[in-house]
Amino acid sequence: QKEVEQNSGPLSVPEGAIASLNCTYSDRGSQSFFWYRQYSGKSPELIMSIYSNGDKEDGRFTAQLNKASQYVSLLIRDSQPSDSATYLCAVNRANAGKSTFGDGTTLTVKP
Amino acid sequence: AAGVIQSPRHLIKEKRETATLKCYPIPRHDTVYWYQQGPGQDPQFLISFYEKMQSDKGSIPDRFSAQQFSDYHSELNMSSLELGDSALYFCASSFGTGGSSSPLHFGNGTRLTVT
Repeated sequence: QKEVEQNSGPLSVPEGAIASLNCTYSDRGSQSFFWYRQYSGKSPELIMSIYSNGDKEDGRFTAQLNKASQYVSLLIRDSQPSDSATYLCAVNRANAGKSTFGDGTTLTVKP
Repeated sequence: AAGVIQSPRHLIKEKRETATLKCYPIPRHDTVYWYQQGPGQDPQFLISFYEKMQSDKGSIPDRFSAQQFSDYHSELNMSSLELGDSALYFCASSFGTGGSSSPLHFGNGTRLTVT
């Protein structure tokens, strides 16, 4: 079992719809959770970070964390074609000097 | 704002050759990470440095070595290159306490092709 698992893609949604991306992690000691967006051939860029249970909203993006279920998700509202990319879930353990990434979910938003 | 700078952007080497990748972190960031990303794969952690000391080690082959210098820049040295080493190599930096709660800021990567 991978330390960080994401829902298998690719995911395709129509423009204006809500895209839902899911991620589970195996280490209960995990403390910090991040979503990165990566366009093909480019470097990952941070979309959201979340550290405590509940929801965190930033514009059209909402991250949700449930540590009891070891689950973190990213919702993208009013999806735009420019949101088409691979979304990477990353998890940090306490006092760990690295982030562990999931395999990524490729999202396509169709005009 | 200054970002993480990696060089070179592209590198072509032959099997059994040696390559050196360089990374300049964001100013005042004290932690540097190296990741390898193969085609269609997620980034795989290689190694990290906090305040010039190795802080964590991942799936880095013994043929690879890295260090962080007094000016906080880092170099990844790769020897006896194999075809399977062809990948995008990302450097990332973060600030504070080894980065346990800090997000990563990635450079644009070095695309290494081994022929």
